Amino acid sequence: DTAVSQTPKYLVTQMGNDKSIKCEQNLGHDTMYWYKQDSKKFLKIMFSYNNKELIINETVPNRFSPKSPDKAHLNLHINSLELGDSAVYFCASSRGTPNTEAFFGQGTRLTVV
Amino acid sequence: SQQGEEDPQALSIQEGENATMNCSYKTSINNLQWYRQNSGRGLVHLILIRSNEREKHSGRLRVTLDTSKKSSSLLITASRAADTASYFCATEGNNDMRFGAGTRLTVKP
Repeated sequence: DTAVSQTPKYLVTQMGNDKSIKCEQNLGHDTMYWYKQDSKKFLKIMFSYNNKELIINETVPNRFSPKSPDKAHLNLHINSLELGDSAVYFCASSRGTPNTEAFFGQGTRLTVV
Repeated sequence: SQQGEEDPQALSIQEGENATMNCSYKTSINNLQWYRQNSGRGLVHLILIRSNEREKHSGRLRVTLDTSKKSSSLLITASRAADTASYFCATEGNNDMRFGAGTRLTVKP
């Protein structure tokens, strides 16, 4: 079974649309993250949740809204998509205690046309 | 904001050679971790070194950490073509894991 799964794997959409990316982890972890990886491979943290509570909200446009219905899920909703939102988005999870590793999903490649 | 910065950005070596990648960071950390990313895939954890450790080994991997210089290095010995990937360092704070831009390693057969 996949530990951290994201859907969809690929997403092509037009500017102005609203889309969601789903993430689920079956590891029993308390902390989940969203990262954005641009074309230059920079991996930037967007959000961090611990037990469904928002811990980190980096400088991300408020068109991006994470939702955590339970600690196993962290979905990312994006409103009014722009060309610059095109990137690969990674979900990850960890136990949230110090000195533990993160487990990553396979990524969602978002292309805005 | 980015925390770690890897150096070099790209590295190309022959199979059998050693590969060394460096990482510098800015703030105090609980630990530093190295991850690998194959093209089109998610990141996979390789090794974690705690802030009170100076060196750690795992198979062909050797990691050093110098907290006074806020830097770390990853050495891959006897490289293989299958080691071709991007390697990222990550620093862990409080529910916060921040990555550098990565080093793209190419190992030629």
